[in-house]
Amino acid sequence: AQSVTQPDIHITVSEGASLELRCNYSYGATPYLFWYVQSPGQGLQLLLKYFSGDTLVQGIKGFEAEFKRSQSSFNLRKPSVHWSDAAEYFCAVGARAGGTSYGKLTFGQGTILTVHP
Amino acid sequence: KAGVTQTPRYLIKTRGQQVTLSCSPISGHRSVSWYQQTPGQGLQFLFEYFSETQRNKGNFPGRFSGRQFSNSRSEMNVSTLELGDSALYLCASSLGLAGLPFFGPGTRLTVL
Repeated sequence: AQSVTQPDIHITVSEGASLELRCNYSYGATPYLFWYVQSPGQGLQLLLKYFSGDTLVQGIKGFEAEFKRSQSSFNLRKPSVHWSDAAEYFCAVGARAGGTSYGKLTFGQGTILTVHP
Repeated sequence: KAGVTQTPRYLIKTRGQQVTLSCSPISGHRSVSWYQQTPGQGLQFLFEYFSETQRNKGNFPGRFSGRQFSNSRSEMNVSTLELGDSALYLCASSLGLAGLPFFGPGTRLTVL
């Protein structure tokens, strides 16, 4: 069974500082990987995704993530955080079995990001 | 193109009642998935529908059911509500079974 671990429940950074949110996954093959962001009371917005190819993927809002197969990780990074980035971030893995969709996502527990001015 | 629409956005019910939530996918999307989000359990997959057929099901009791109509709109039903069913219910639609999921704003269900 697939699983996702986000080790940090809550991270606080200063505006303008760099950010790295950690994500480790467990899956028997090469997974589909996603990062979503959720603002209070809102749904999930896709930041970026990894399916195959280049292990460094660029997303919206200046975010990027790197897939490291050897470490089973897919960490999210941003060089300079803005106050509007304060939200909850979710890493997710999708199945990649033949005939199985990745409409069934397994999510990590989320990391709440607080940004200090 | 309009996004995923979920109605109602907020709902208050009492224990023992039943509730139906609706999800309208993005135009052209044929796959709809449902998730439950709670502070304790996080985001958990409920079920997925494609072409009116349930393709995947999560580990939830039979009180949770769903269906999809020919226009791809989906509904989920929870019968005999329990306090623990209080949650944000999120719907996601995708073009097909291998399509990228786009999420709606959710329905906040409170069970008293």
